[in-house]
Amino acid sequence: DQQVKQNSPSLSVQEGRISILNCDYTNSMFDYFLWYKKYPAEGPTFLISISSIKDKNEDGRFTVFLNKSAKHLSLHIVPSQPGDSAVYFCAASAGNDMRFGAGTRLTVKP
Amino acid sequence: NAGVTQTPKFRILKIGQSMTLQCTQDMNHNYMYWYRQDPGMGLKLIYYSVGAGITDKGEVPNGYNVSRSTTEDFPLRLELAAPSQTSVYFCASGLRGPGGNTIYFGEGSWLTVV
Repeated sequence: DQQVKQNSPSLSVQEGRISILNCDYTNSMFDYFLWYKKYPAEGPTFLISISSIKDKNEDGRFTVFLNKSAKHLSLHIVPSQPGDSAVYFCAASAGNDMRFGAGTRLTVKP
Repeated sequence: NAGVTQTPKFRILKIGQSMTLQCTQDMNHNYMYWYRQDPGMGLKLIYYSVGAGITDKGEVPNGYNVSRSTTEDFPLRLELAAPSQTSVYFCASGLRGPGGNTIYFGEGSWLTVV
């Protein structure tokens, strides 16, 4: 059962514009959410996280929004840069268990 | 700054062979994990450990074994390799923070079973 879903396998945006990546989850026990970025032939790199007691967390160009009632989180990247082109995974955890979505491939065009 | 180190990076196994993927971390993290990534399927948790001497099954543990004799090392053993175990394997380690666990990954091990 896929408890964490990223329904868009790919996203293409123009440099300088906003990138919005979405993630849905089904398990209401999840209380900590993370985004990871992955380049080809490398391991995922931690980007940003949010606890379930918050609805927004910012770090530079990256902002994560959490809507607990909808079981939905999103990652906003503003402004998008060509170096942001990568696969983005969302993850959700409850205790020691951490589940990942299938990933969204972001392409930022110059 | 080594972080999480996995070896080997690439390996080809024949069906029925066994092997061990090595993972070591130098960040003194209590938590360690093994994930596999199949194409288009995201990361699936195989096993995890919350400290030396303690291991637990994840979503897809069948065909694998782990041990955690030290804080630093968390090897993954494949017994009787099958083509379904062809995948990219990622080891990770982490600490519990104020909100939850944040984990940090190694670079991956590409395994092909033929």
